[in-house]
Amino acid sequence: NAGVTQTPKFRVLKTGQSMTLLCAQDMNHEYMYWYRQDPGMGLRLIHYSVGEGTTAKGEVPDGYNVSRLKKQNFLLGLESAAPSQTSVYFCASSYGPLNTEQYFGPGTRLTVT
Amino acid sequence: AQTVTQSQPEMSVQEAETVTLSCTYDTSESDYYLFWYKQPPSRQMILVIRQEAYKQQNATENRFSVNFQKAAKSFSLKISDSQLGDAAMYFCAYRSAQLGNEKLTFGTGTRLTIIP
Repeated sequence: NAGVTQTPKFRVLKTGQSMTLLCAQDMNHEYMYWYRQDPGMGLRLIHYSVGEGTTAKGEVPDGYNVSRLKKQNFLLGLESAAPSQTSVYFCASSYGPLNTEQYFGPGTRLTVT
Repeated sequence: AQTVTQSQPEMSVQEAETVTLSCTYDTSESDYYLFWYKQPPSRQMILVIRQEAYKQQNATENRFSVNFQKAAKSFSLKISDSQLGDAAMYFCAYRSAQLGNEKLTFGTGTRLTIIP
């Protein structure tokens, strides 16, 4: 049982480049989330999904797109990276909403120069 | 909108002693959930403890316990018999009980250092 995995672990992009971060979970969870963590701040929700084929905006969605074509995968895309998107990105998943625990991946450190 | 405030950016405690991390939150809702997450240097976020707002009894998990004061909107974490492995960033988080309002709102974190 790998839990929640994220690919890649580190990445450096130039401004304007695009990339996709992959999140995979093997716990058959319905809900998946993408967060970003910046220095001096807690995690902030970018987008989330309540099931296969669904996505919804979180607190800071601008500049990102997501897709959930398969239940176990949740992709986060940056179409035209900007230095403001330099951050650590965390994926999480849970059985459902409310008080169910969110299980986090190890994070992806992204630097945009 | 809900906000979560952790007023202690850093705390330190001697090994085997007890430490309390503070968290306050602001909400107009009556039903919600509160969490403490631990983030060690490995960056992995780990759930430490959770509290349902409708429960008056404070949650406890082994050496970790909370002091939940609903009227004061306070949710502090007490760590007893501190161990070197407790060194980490600790985040307090709030989640609405309303379906469709799925996000966790995090505080800015408290860095806990354990002194041997």
